[in-house]
Amino acid sequence: KQEVTQIPAALSVPEGENLVLNCSFTDSAIYNLQWFRQDPGKGLTSLLLIQSSQREQTSGRLNASLDKSSGRSTLYIAASQPGDSATYLCAVPHPRNRDDKIIFGKGTRLHILP
Amino acid sequence: DGGITQSPKYLFRKEGQNVTLSCEQNLNHDAMYWYRQDPGQGLRLIYYSQIVNDFQKGDIAEGYSVSREKKESFPLTVTSAQKNPTAFYLCASSRPAAPGSVLTFGAGCWITVL
Repeated sequence: KQEVTQIPAALSVPEGENLVLNCSFTDSAIYNLQWFRQDPGKGLTSLLLIQSSQREQTSGRLNASLDKSSGRSTLYIAASQPGDSATYLCAVPHPRNRDDKIIFGKGTRLHILP
Repeated sequence: DGGITQSPKYLFRKEGQNVTLSCEQNLNHDAMYWYRQDPGQGLRLIYYSQIVNDFQKGDIAEGYSVSREKKESFPLTVTSAQKNPTAFYLCASSRPAAPGSVLTFGAGCWITVL
């Protein structure tokens, strides 16, 4: 059974720092991995989607990497800003069938200190 | 703009009452999903549907029911059998024919028990 873990559960850093959020998964036979952002009381916004054949994706100050063999992905946020404060979740499709069931981690709550 | 619309945003349920959450998408996505989010527990899958007139139970389907009569719509009913419905409910859609297509979310609905 695929399990997705995100560590740490919460993180506070001063504004301007670069930071890394971690996501690990137990079954490496994934089609892709997706990173989301969730603001309090809101829906999820897709940030980056990495296909299994890719090693990284970039969007502005965000860079996501994928290492299938080790079951890990990282989300790198450069020059953090208070507006980056949110919960960040990673998600992977269920690897053993094609029903597109998607497994989520519990997220990392990020707080950027002004 | 294409997207997913959930309604209502807030819902107060009386004990023993059935309530229905609406989810409509104009993205021409084939697959639709309902997730429940409790604090500290991440997202849990309630039901999902890959095509019209077909749907499957997720991890926590007991006390819920769905229908998929139209491609654009996937309503969720929280029945009186669901004893602890207080949570944040999220609807999502994707195009599973391309494995790992971007999962798009609605804004969510809060259910509180009176």
